[in-house]
Order: sequence, then structure tokens, then C-alpha cells
Amino acid sequence: GDSVTQMEGPVTLSEEAFLTINCTYTATGYPSLFWYVQYPGEGLQLLLKATKADDKGSNKGFEATYRKETTSFHLEKGSVQVSDSAVYFCAPNYGGSQGNLIFGKGTKLSVKP
Amino acid sequence: NAGVTQTPKFQVLKTGQSMTLQCAQDMNHEYMSWYRQDPGMGLRLIHYSVGAGITDQGEVPNGYNVSRSTTEDFPLRLLSAAPSQTSVYFCASSYSKGAGYTFGSGTRLTVV
Repeated sequence: GDSVTQMEGPVTLSEEAFLTINCTYTATGYPSLFWYVQYPGEGLQLLLKATKADDKGSNKGFEATYRKETTSFHLEKGSVQVSDSAVYFCAPNYGGSQGNLIFGKGTKLSVKP
Repeated sequence: NAGVTQTPKFQVLKTGQSMTLQCAQDMNHEYMSWYRQDPGMGLRLIHYSVGAGITDQGEVPNGYNVSRSTTEDFPLRLLSAAPSQTSVYFCASSYSKGAGYTFGSGTRLTVV
């Protein structure tokens, strides 16, 4: 079935370091791709999205490009801040009859000052 | 604009008790879903609905019931609580297939 794999955490970085969190999805169909972020004690918030090949989603300094040839949607940020500490989820939506998101297991990011 | 509202935020139940987790959205979204979040497991889909009167099972439906009598409300019922249902529950809604979902702030449930 449809699935998504994202890099295992936790990831610990120093402030201003470069961040990459890898995400790959199964190639069934042509999903829309999302990254969600969950700050401590809160619900999930949509961070960015891309709906077709080569689209780049961006928000709050984060970027991810829809790579159909490698079935990937890696999340990047050039200079992380302490406030970026959170859990990040990659989630494709394959549409279909139910249109539900499929979530990766999440990657916990801790940024140290 | 309230978005997706979940109540209660916290709940402790005894094994065998039943309860209903409430979820309401004010965005006129057709698609609504319930997820549970457990450490190391990500989010797993419990039940979902594609419109009023239409519900279906997700990945982990056992022990839960849902109904969707209105577009706005999508309650999740625990029939007979078990310790394995200790989790954080999230309700989410979306305006269309393939779109992003808006999440509620969650209900943290402990079953003792």
C-alpha cells in the first residue's frame, strides 16, 4: 500500500546550522505532498505543501521540492533557530476516494543555542 | 475563526468506561478524520468521513465508533476503554481530496 518514510530522529543541531530532513514516498499515483510541524504540547500545523512535480513549497524559511523522479520531498532550512525545535511530519495525500493523509513517523528536531 | 475545536483537552478514564471525544469545525469542510498519536508510531488513522452521513474505517478502527450527522461535527466514541487506547487523539478537516488538513489541538486520553 501507499506509505512514506522519513529520516529517523532525533536530530540535534546548533543554532544557524543547515537542516535537511529526508522524506520519500511510494510511487503509487501522484500525491500532493505536505510537511507538518508539531511544537511541544500542540497540534499539527501545516508548514508547506507541493502539488505537482518540481513544485517548491516554502514557509518560515523552510523549503521542500517535489521530486517525482526520486519520489522525494526533503525538508530544508538554511539556518535553524531555537524556535524551530519541534517534530516534523512528512505526509503525502494520494487523494482517492477518502483523500486522507498518510503520515511518516515524525522527526524530532532540537536546536541548541 | 475557530477552525477545528476538540473537547475535552484531557481525560482520564477507567478501564471499561465509555466516552465521546468531540470535534467541531466551522470551515464547512466535507472531509474529516480522527487520528491517534503514539510515541514512535506517528499518526494513525482511526476513522474518516467524506461528508455528512458517510463514514469509513481507517487503519486502527477497533474499539471506536463515529457518526457524522452534520457537516460540522464528527464525534469519536470509545465503547469500552482499554489501557491500549491511552493516546493523544487529533481531529482534522479538509475542504477536498488531495488538500492539506487543519488539525485540532488534540485530546490527551489516559485509560487506567
